Amino acid sequence: QKEVEQNSGPLSVPEGAIASLNCTYSDRGSQSFFWYRQYSGKSPELIMSIYSNGDKEDGRFTAQLNKASQYVSLLIRDSQPSDSATYLCAVNPNDYKLSFGAGTTVTVRA
Amino acid sequence: DVKVTQSSRYLVKRTGEKVFLECVQDMDHENMFWYRQDPGLGLRLIYFSYDVKMKEKGDIPEGYSVSREKKERFSLILESASTNQTSMYLCASSLTGSGYGYTFGSGTRLTVV
Repeated sequence: QKEVEQNSGPLSVPEGAIASLNCTYSDRGSQSFFWYRQYSGKSPELIMSIYSNGDKEDGRFTAQLNKASQYVSLLIRDSQPSDSATYLCAVNPNDYKLSFGAGTTVTVRA
Repeated sequence: DVKVTQSSRYLVKRTGEKVFLECVQDMDHENMFWYRQDPGLGLRLIYFSYDVKMKEKGDIPEGYSVSREKKERFSLILESASTNQTSMYLCASSLTGSGYGYTFGSGTRLTVV
């Protein structure tokens, strides 16, 4: 079993819709969870971090965490063409290394 | 802003050459990492370092070595470059502690011919 699994893409959504990205993790002791956005040919950029159960909102992005279900998600509201990218889920099971999912590619069509 | 700087954006090397990829961070981070990223394979950890002169193998260390003589600098060395090492190489740094994510450099796209 992979440490971090993301829903397979690609995910295509119309402009203005909600894009929903899902991630599950295997290490129940994980405490910190991150979402990175990676544009084609660029490096990953941290867009959200979440540490407690529940929702965390930042602009059009909402991260949701459920530690009991070992599940973290990212919602992108009012999706824009500029949101077209690969989104990486990352989990911190210890003090040093992150475990990354394989990524979900999102395409927002105009 | 935390900055992680990789010395080259694009690099073309010949098979058998010794290749040095340099990474420098300016925020006093203890941890530094080298990843490679290939289509369909995601991020794969090559080596990481949690302190000066300390290094740990990642998932795919074969054919690579690293050096960390100063806290801010972490170098990746390809001892004898091969075509299967053509890839995007990403350096990252972080503070120690479960609450910290990584900051990535802009990446080096290495082509070995």
